[in-house]
Amino acid sequence: QQPVQSPQAVILREGEDAVINCSSSKALYSVHWYRQKHGEAPVFLMILLKGGEQKGHDKISASFNEKKQQSSLYLTASQLSYSGTYFCGTGGSNYKLTFGKGTLLTVNP
Amino acid sequence: EADIYQTPRYLVIGTGKKITLECSQTMGHDKMYWYQQDPGMELHLIHYSYGVNSTEKGDLSSESTVSRIRTEHFPLTLESARPSHTSQYLCASSELETQYFGPGTRLLVL
Repeated sequence: QQPVQSPQAVILREGEDAVINCSSSKALYSVHWYRQKHGEAPVFLMILLKGGEQKGHDKISASFNEKKQQSSLYLTASQLSYSGTYFCGTGGSNYKLTFGKGTLLTVNP
Repeated sequence: EADIYQTPRYLVIGTGKKITLECSQTMGHDKMYWYQQDPGMELHLIHYSYGVNSTEKGDLSSESTVSRIRTEHFPLTLESARPSHTSQYLCASSELETQYFGPGTRLLVL
């Protein structure tokens, strides 16, 4: 079951904050977050595990809400380099990830 | 971070030609994957492998085939390319669940 990402797209000014959500209709065990810049390959950002803590590095962090079966990615004080498409991928028992359709983030000066 | 390589990076080819997209990784990962992605769109898993001599079809039906004779190498072959195969093909590998992607091959079939 493909996770649902929201919003589909968001436009920010440099320095603004954003939240991207990833929801699943089935129980979540792990959520992987990736960022893909235009014309490049997806780059791994972080993994959230069931029962794990909120993670983050620099001004990008993420949380995992088991009750809601949802993960949220928080981008604080956005920089131009944050622009790209963000994908969440949900894991299961077979090492395959099911990716959402992506959220296009545009940060303008 | 995994070192994973794909060649060619760009390929323009005529209809009916046979092509092989190469993917190699130097991290010793058992699991490897092929995704198809149209520009700005979602990632579709077309093939995956859990190890040597293990290959499975992914969630998106594809006319391509794969082989896994060596741990580090996971080539994808199209016997007869068609314009509908025009897309970006991304290879990935993983030790556990976290996948690391190669730079991709952009394929244009005329």
